[in-house]
Amino acid sequence: AQSVSQHNHHVILSEAASLELGCNYSYGGTVNLFWYVQYPGQHLQLLLKYFSGDPLVKGIKGFEAEFIKSKFSFNLRKPSVQWSDTAEYFCGAAGNKLTFGGGTRVLVKP
Amino acid sequence: KAGVTQTPRYLIKTRGQQVTLSCSPISGHRSVSWYQQTPGQGLQFLFEYFSETQRNKGNFPGRFSGRQFSNSRSEMNVSTLELGDSALYLCASKGTGGENIQYFGAGTRLSVL
Repeated sequence: AQSVSQHNHHVILSEAASLELGCNYSYGGTVNLFWYVQYPGQHLQLLLKYFSGDPLVKGIKGFEAEFIKSKFSFNLRKPSVQWSDTAEYFCGAAGNKLTFGGGTRVLVKP
Repeated sequence: KAGVTQTPRYLIKTRGQQVTLSCSPISGHRSVSWYQQTPGQGLQFLFEYFSETQRNKGNFPGRFSGRQFSNSRSEMNVSTLELGDSALYLCASKGTGGENIQYFGAGTRLSVL
């Protein structure tokens, strides 16, 4: 069965710190990978996606993610976070349906 | 282009009642999916409709049902509500032509008392 796991439930950082959120997926076929973000009081928005090609993908707001096929991972990174990056982040994998990880709440302290 | 619209935004119901939630996808999108979001379980897939047919289904009891109309608008129904059904219900639409990206609405927050 398709599954996605996110390593951290909560992350607290200070502004300008680097962020890395882990995501591993389990799926037997071709899979599309996503990171979505949910800012407080707002709807889910797509940060970035990987379908094929260059395993390092860049998204909005300075985020990037690296697909490592051998590790079934799709980790999200941002070199220097801002207070406005406080949000919940969801990793998703889509085969015939989109499955999400449990989410990681990120709090950036000013 | 308008985004995914969900109505109502908030609902309060009591145990045993039923509820119907509505979702209007982005114009031109024919796939509509529903998700349940709770603090404990995260985002869980309910079902997907495409061209009025259910294409995929998650692991929810039969009390959760849905349908899609010819204009791609979708409704989700929950019968015999339980306290544990309190959640944010999200709808997402997806275009055709190979773009496998879900666009989400703001959700309907259901509270069951």
